[in-house]
Parts: sequence; C-alpha cells; structure tokens
Amino acid sequence: KAGVTQTPRYLIKTRGQQVTLSCSPISGHRSVSWYQQTPGQGLQFLFEYFSETQRNKGNFPGRFSGRQFSNSRSEMNVSTLELGDSALYLCASSFPRDKPTDTQYFGPGTRLTVL
Amino acid sequence: GDSVTQMEGPVTLSEEACLTINCTYTATGYPSLFWYVQYPGEGLQLLLKATKADDKGSNKGFEATYRKETTSFHLEKGSVQVSDSAVYFCALLPVAGSARQLTFGSGTQLTVLP
Repeated sequence: KAGVTQTPRYLIKTRGQQVTLSCSPISGHRSVSWYQQTPGQGLQFLFEYFSETQRNKGNFPGRFSGRQFSNSRSEMNVSTLELGDSALYLCASSFPRDKPTDTQYFGPGTRLTVL
Repeated sequence: GDSVTQMEGPVTLSEEACLTINCTYTATGYPSLFWYVQYPGEGLQLLLKATKADDKGSNKGFEATYRKETTSFHLEKGSVQVSDSAVYFCALLPVAGSARQLTFGSGTQLTVLP
C-alpha cells in the first residue's frame, strides 16, 4: 500500500510570492493534517481536514490556508511568503475509522526555502 | 494547554549501549501517546504508541510504558545499533473531541557510534 506522498519535495521561492503544496493521503484515509517543522519552533500543527471540511486549525496567520478535495487529496497555500516561512511542511493522514486514537502517518515533507 | 517535555539532546551512545529518552506530558484526561522517529532528510515514522494508562508500546526493540501517575512515556531500548541514529519525538493526541492535533516534544537527536 502506498504511503503518504507530498509534492514537490523541494521548493525555493522569494519573499512576497505564494506557494501551493500538495498531499495525497494513504488510500482510504479521509483525514489529512498539516504540520510545520522549523529548528526554532519545532513541529507545529497547522490545520486538519476531514471530508473536505477544515475541522481544526492551529495558531497561524491567515496567509496559511488549505483545502481538501473529494478524493481526500489536500493542498495548502501560503501567500505573501516571509523568510520565516522557510520550513519542512509535513502532511499526515489517518485511518478511516476516524477515532481520536487513530494513528497519523506522515509523508516525507516538502522543504520550502524562502529567499 | 497540552504540552510535551522531552529530554534535551543530543545523545551519543556506543553500539549495544542502553538507551532511555525521557518524556513527560501535561494534558487533561487520558491522551494517546506516541513516539515518532525522523531519519535525516525524511518525514516522521511512527515508532510505537499507547492509548491508555499502563499500556506498553513496543517496536523494533524499543519500548515505552504509559505512566499516568507520573505523566510519563519514556522511550527505552536495551541495545542500540548504528542504524538507530535519528531524531526521536514524543507526542500526544488529546482524547476529547475529534481533534487530530498532535502536540510534539522538541525532539532528541540520537547518534550511535560503532
């Protein structure tokens, strides 16, 4: 069974630009969560989508947004990029039973560098 | 709010040494607890988990026991290998509601020398 896939794996952008990252969950998983990983702040929760609806959101500015499609694939968008947005962005998907204890399985991440 | 405190790293061990990485948490109720591992240049891989008090999670020689009385979930391995070199993250998932928001510790870098 294929794991969580994320594209692209690496991105280089300049300040002020916008970027879209993509995540394909494990087949059959309906919940997708996004996390930002930086050396200074560690791993921080961005948002979670389930059945095309944002169910939970972390403490990030409105420049960070996301969506989920009917096939459970998800995208996140960052507008007006800042240097501090440079990070590894990780996507995780959860088993379809949708219980709170369901394990989240992570993708390899997208490394975003903002110059 | 919920929080996870991990032992500061980095940790350097010789092959076949014993490993303990401390993890304590603050949360209401009985959260689920996880250990994830991150190898260089990769995402997070689930190492083990425990969903209720006194549960022991185990995988690949690693173990951790959910201790409600001490709010701890320490990771242990009796004999580490060079291939265990990675960053280890302790995390919790709240039970209340349907939130999938994992709260992570700061991570512990482990280096195992041959």
